[in-house]
Amino acid sequence: EVQLVQSGAEVKKPGESLKISCKASGYSFTNYWIGWVRQMPGRGLEWMGIIYPGDSDTRYSPSFQGQVTISVDKSVNTAYLHWRSLKASDSAMYYCARHASLGRFLDWWGQGTLVTVSS
Amino acid sequence: QSALTQPASVSASPGQSITISCTGTSSDVGAYNYVSWYQQHPGKAPKLMIYDVTSRPSGVSNRFSGSKSGNTASLTISGLQAEDEADYYCNSFTMSSTVVFGGGTKLTVL
Repeated sequence: EVQLVQSGAEVKKPGESLKISCKASGYSFTNYWIGWVRQMPGRGLEWMGIIYPGDSDTRYSPSFQGQVTISVDKSVNTAYLHWRSLKASDSAMYYCARHASLGRFLDWWGQGTLVTVSS
Repeated sequence: QSALTQPASVSASPGQSITISCTGTSSDVGAYNYVSWYQQHPGKAPKLMIYDVTSRPSGVSNRFSGSKSGNTASLTISGLQAEDEADYYCNSFTMSSTVVFGGGTKLTVL
């Protein structure tokens, strides 16, 4: 069975860096795009970007370009979302999800990682 | 890119049908048959309900159906049940090779 297991909740201070993870199992990791989705408290879903583990081809939503970095480590079937300098406005739930192919539907979702940024 | 436009809320009684619209542009919804719909219950991860405009994943009730006309896609839920009460989001591929979600619709089953 396909599973995406995300790392645990994080509490950080503004200006700190952070990398959260999404470990995939149950399918060929390098053959499917992985996307990241933000959900701020009480708000809707926002698509952040996508990466193809096979060759690390990465695309970002214009809203998130330059704000975060998406990467993968094929050796451990894991995708990452990285911030160099967190802001309070980065506080949100972050989901990883598998895309059936570039731009198509998200068929399997992680459980979410809650990030809280507060001084 | 702007979010796709959905009504903020819809409501209906059990057994009735509802339709949620999702309006985009000729650069996203109108450009491809890559519209999908997701159901999200409070505190849970989203769940895929409809993909490629009209297709239903295995295990999703046939009370859920999708359609598209021009730049507007729609999700219809027939025979409403209490368990259908949730937030619903549409999603589309765009001509910029990115993806955009709708703002979400809260469905209340009265």
